[in-house]
Amino acid sequence: EAGVTQSPTHLIKTRGQQATLRCSPISGHTSVYWYQQALGLGLQFLLWYDEGEERNRGNFPPRFSGRQFPNYSSELNVNALELEDSALYLCASSLYREREKLFFGSGTQLSVL
Amino acid sequence: DAKTTQPPSMDCAEGRAANLPCNHSTISGNEYVYWYRQIHSQGPQYIIHGLKNNETNEMASLIITEDRKSSTLILPHATLRDTAVYYCIVRLMTTDSWGKLQFGAGTQVVVTP
Repeated sequence: EAGVTQSPTHLIKTRGQQATLRCSPISGHTSVYWYQQALGLGLQFLLWYDEGEERNRGNFPPRFSGRQFPNYSSELNVNALELEDSALYLCASSLYREREKLFFGSGTQLSVL
Repeated sequence: DAKTTQPPSMDCAEGRAANLPCNHSTISGNEYVYWYRQIHSQGPQYIIHGLKNNETNEMASLIITEDRKSSTLILPHATLRDTAVYYCIVRLMTTDSWGKLQFGAGTQVVVTP
């Protein structure tokens, strides 16, 4: 069974640009979560989607947004990139009935120059 | 969510049991204890969780003290592949908290031959 897959693995952007990160959950999982792991700050919760709707949001500005598609895959969009957005962005998925067990992908390393 | 305190690092000999402590003295009655680990260059991996009773699965055992102010994750026979950062997380099982895991600094466990 395939795990959570994220693309691209690495992404380099310049300040002010937009970044789009993609995530495919494990088959059968309807919930998708996004986390940011920046150096020195640890893992921070960004967004949670379930059945196509945003269910919860962390303390991030509105330029961090996303969506979930009918096939449960998800996109994270970061607009007006800032240098401090450089981080590893991790996607996770879960079964609806086992929301305590998150399965994480290996992440997208975003570098903002 | 209650705050957790873990030692920053631990060494363990291969084949021996690894006992990872976690203090959560401000835990409330309906908060669960979760353990995840993150192997270098990978996303976090769910290990186990519990509320009051001790729990065991194929990966580890979780021992929660009677007053619930601390817990211990036990890896019964540590292998080199268990080298990772281990996170102890305490959170409510409510709609608002789903997906919103608060990762601290964790414990860097190094298993040596």
